[in-house]
Formats: sequence, structure tokens, C-alpha cells
Amino acid sequence: AQTVTQSQPEMSVQEAETVTLSCTYDTSESDYYLFWYKQPPSRQMILVIRQEAYKQQNATENRFSVNFQKAAKSFSLKISDSQLGDAAMYFCAYRSVEGGSEKLVFGKGTKLTVNP
Amino acid sequence: DTEVTQTPKHLVMGMTNKKSLKCEQHMGHRAMYWYKQKAKKPPELMFVYSYEKLSINESVPSRFSPECPNSSLLNLHLHALQPEDSALYLCASSQAGYLSSYNEQFFGPGTRLTVL
Repeated sequence: AQTVTQSQPEMSVQEAETVTLSCTYDTSESDYYLFWYKQPPSRQMILVIRQEAYKQQNATENRFSVNFQKAAKSFSLKISDSQLGDAAMYFCAYRSVEGGSEKLVFGKGTKLTVNP
Repeated sequence: DTEVTQTPKHLVMGMTNKKSLKCEQHMGHRAMYWYKQKAKKPPELMFVYSYEKLSINESVPSRFSPECPNSSLLNLHLHALQPEDSALYLCASSQAGYLSSYNEQFFGPGTRLTVL
């Protein structure tokens, strides 16, 4: 079974600075998808960024980018120019590509605080 | 419309009550999910419906009864719950079948359930 580990329960960053959240995972599959979800205090979970394992190029979405190291099974999230609205719980998630596999495996989350 | 709606937002019920949680989406998604989330924890998958058929039941107690009346609606019927069932219940939807792995799950805002 796949597992996802987020080793940083809490992180803090100064507004406008850069922060990196770590995520490692364990799988025997060669193809899969990885996601970062954000859950602000209002509690609605939204997708931040996704990465296909077969793509070597790291995904980027505006101020959010990932460092995907397939061999190391590492998938970290970098937030540049941090804003107060980035404060949230961040969950790393894994999803198999097996047909009909709808299960997301979540890490335990990292609580990000942004200091003004 | 990329919204998943859930009603009610808050629910307080006694252990002998029967209540239902409702979830609706109009994105044409054919996979819908129920998650349970305790404070400061990741969501735990409860049920998955794919093309209106129950495809995953994560060994959830029978006091939780899901129902998918049509492709846009998902219900969770509650009966004889225990105080430890108090949590945030999240609904999500996504593409189904071979598309489900790549496509994100869209989450609703959740129903905050308190069992007295």
C-alpha cells in the first residue's frame, strides 16, 4: 500500500518570503499522480498543484512550484512571495493511475503560518 | 460551475436521531466521495460512488448509509451515531473511470457534525 509522509507538522514564513513544504511517499508503482491540496481555516479544500510521475518537468502554478524527485520519492512544494492568504493546512496526496482507482492517499498535513 | 455544495453547514444530533447530509455538484462528474475529517487530521475516505454505484466502502459502520440518487446528488444517512462520530464530513467529486486518477477532486465546504 502506498504511504505519504509530511515530516513538518507546522511551518512559518514571513510575508513575501519563500517557504518549502516537504513530502515523501512510498510506492511500488512506476506511474502515478501527486497533488498538493490547501485547506484554509474556512475548511474548503482546494487543489494547489499536481504532478504526473511520468513527466520529468516540475509543475508550476504562479507562485507555487514543486520539486519532484522520482528516484528519491520526494515531492516538495515551494511557495514564493508568501502572502497572508497562503496560511492554511497543506496536504500532500498520492493517486494511483490504475483504472478505476479513485483513492487519494493523504499525508498528515503541514500547518503553514504566514507572519506579517 | 466548479462548485460542490453541501447542506447543512452545521448539524447537532442526538444518538437516537436520524439525519441526512446532502451533497450536490453540476460539473458532470460521475465519481463522488464522502470523507470524514477530524480536527488537524487529513480527510479519511469513507465511500466512493462511481457512475452512481458504490465502488468503495472503507469498512464504515452501518450507522452511516450512503445513497447516490442520481449523477449530481450524494446523500449520507445517519442513524444511531456515537459522540466519536463528531467531525467535519466532506463531499468531493471528480471525473470517473480512467480519467479519475489525473483529475482533481473538487471538495465541498463540509458539514460540521456534532453528536451529543
